[in-house]
Amino acid sequence: QVQLVESGGGLVKPGGSLTLSCAASGFSFSDYYMGWFRQAPGKGLEWISYISSRSTIIYYADSVKGRITISRDNAYNSLYLQMHSLRAEDTAVYYCARLSDGYGRFDPWGQGTLVTVSS
Amino acid sequence: SYELTQPPSVSVSPGQTASITCSGDKLGDRYACWYQQKPGQSPILLIYQDTKRPSEIPERFSGSSSGKTATLTISGTQAMDEADYYCQAWDTSTVLFGGGTKLTVL
Repeated sequence: QVQLVESGGGLVKPGGSLTLSCAASGFSFSDYYMGWFRQAPGKGLEWISYISSRSTIIYYADSVKGRITISRDNAYNSLYLQMHSLRAEDTAVYYCARLSDGYGRFDPWGQGTLVTVSS
Repeated sequence: SYELTQPPSVSVSPGQTASITCSGDKLGDRYACWYQQKPGQSPILLIYQDTKRPSEIPERFSGSSSGKTATLTISGTQAMDEADYYCQAWDTSTVLFGGGTKLTVL
């Protein structure tokens, strides 16, 4: 079945860096746009970035622009999120999701990986 | 850019109908999606293109849109429907979420 599995979260100090991964299976990964989202503790969902199937189109939310880089490797069915200059407010569960069609729906979502930025 | 506004909370009695609204200046020109999120779980797509429901989603979930407001309706609400609900839409090339609505079934 279609599955997304995030990994790479953990505890990082302010100013540090971290790279998250999202492993896809059960569908033709190279045919789909993919996105990253996050949810701070007790807060709502926030979109942070998406990337087109061939990596030619990339967008970032203003809140993270300049501090994160989204990328993908279609040969390995994997999506990545490199995060730099991390701040306490970046503490959140990070989710990857598939952009399923041209009407803008994200489905499915991975189970999420927790990033904690703290000294 | 525009914002999507949802009520922070909605309460409903078991078996009754719950409605959750999502308003935004450009919603009349954009499709809305709805997601359900239960504590400790990842979001699940409930509704897309304003009114369409994935095959695995129960028929009691439905969506509608009028003017600048999209609405998620849950008919015959069950205790298991207690969750947070989020609307989502696009603004040109960026993705927007509403602030979320906590549905309480009591």
